[in-house]
Amino acid sequence: GQNIDQPTEMTATEGAIVQINCTYQTSGFNGLFWYQQHAGEAPTFLSYNVLDGLEEKGRFSSFLSRSKGYSYLLLKELQMKDSASYLCAVVDSNYQLIWGAGTKLIIKP
Amino acid sequence: SQTIHQWPATLVQPVGSPLSLECTVEGTSNPNLYWYRQAAGRGLQLLFYSVGIGQISSEVPQNLSASRPQDRQFILSSKKLLLSDSGFYLCAWSVGDTGELFFGEGSRLTVL
Repeated sequence: GQNIDQPTEMTATEGAIVQINCTYQTSGFNGLFWYQQHAGEAPTFLSYNVLDGLEEKGRFSSFLSRSKGYSYLLLKELQMKDSASYLCAVVDSNYQLIWGAGTKLIIKP
Repeated sequence: SQTIHQWPATLVQPVGSPLSLECTVEGTSNPNLYWYRQAAGRGLQLLFYSVGIGQISSEVPQNLSASRPQDRQFILSSKKLLLSDSGFYLCAWSVGDTGELFFGEGSRLTVL
């Protein structure tokens, strides 16, 4: 079967750094997405990785290791507005998105 | 630029009543269209996707159905709602092979 694992909930302090991990077992791999979803709203695109390595975009970075079936999302200089759920999703061999359950990130002052 | 809209935003319906959620995309042609459901605290569950007019693929057997009467219109329906149909419904579109999705605002359905 296909499986995406990520922690259910994490807590971090404003101004700090947090790393949200995602591990996957899927039938094929054609890329990995991270989406941000604020409570009651639709998910919005954060990053896309298809090759190994680190992609940096402002305060957010995403890392991928295809051999390990592993990705992480790194958030720096945390702000209160970063409180949200972060969804990991993998594109499988049929170009279908397989979604993780999401990690709820709580930022404390 | 491309935009996607879905409505209604909020819906409270009794068990056994019908449902119709509508989604339209503007600014793109022949998009792939999707209906997802998200239960509280859970991940996104793909319900239906469509690669063209009249072409609907169902991922989960249930009492819901979808239709695509026009290229940029996607409708989610039910003849008789169940309590378990409550959730947050999201319409999305994509173009190309990367699979990146663009979501509508979402429709929160409560079945009582």
